[in-house]
Amino acid sequence: QKEVEQNSGPLSVPEGAIASLNCTYSDRGSQSFFWYRQYSGKSPELIMFIYSNGDKEDGRFTAQLNKASQYVSLLIRDSQPSDSATYLCAVTPDDYKLSFGAGTTVTVRA
Amino acid sequence: DAMVIQNPRYQVTQFGKPVTLSCSQTLNHNVMYWYQQKSSQAPKLLFHYYDKDFNNEADTPDNFQSRRPNTSFCFLDIRSPGLGDAAMYLCATSTGNTEAFFGQGTRLTVV
Repeated sequence: QKEVEQNSGPLSVPEGAIASLNCTYSDRGSQSFFWYRQYSGKSPELIMFIYSNGDKEDGRFTAQLNKASQYVSLLIRDSQPSDSATYLCAVTPDDYKLSFGAGTTVTVRA
Repeated sequence: DAMVIQNPRYQVTQFGKPVTLSCSQTLNHNVMYWYQQKSSQAPKLLFHYYDKDFNNEADTPDNFQSRRPNTSFCFLDIRSPGLGDAAMYLCATSTGNTEAFFGQGTRLTVV
């Protein structure tokens, strides 16, 4: 079983719509959860982090964490063409290790 | 100002010729990571350090080695690069269970 799994893409949404990304993780002891955005040929950049169960909002982005279900999600509201990228879910299972999911590629259609 | 710096940005090496990639940080973070990322794939963790405490992933090939002589610097050595080692190599730093900061990566080409 992979440590971090993301819903398979690619995901295509019209401009202004909500993009919904999902991630599950296998290690129940995981403490920290991150969403990174990666443009083609570039390094990942952090867009959200969440440590506690519930929702966390930052601008057009909302992260949701449910530790009981081992599930973390990211919602992108009012999607813009500049949001077109690959979104990587990352988890710290133990010992400061940071593991990534395979990523979901999002395309926002103008 | 760049906080995690990788050199070089692009590296071309010959099949079988040892190559070293470098990473430096100005953040004074305890944790440093090396990832390999191939096209359209997730970053794959090769190693990570907590200070000098070295952690090697079980599936990291023996061909890959790493050194961290001090807090600021970390090196990735590929002893005998093969064509399958062509990838983007990403260095990142963290204080632990907080966000990781990435360098711009080194694109390795093996010819």
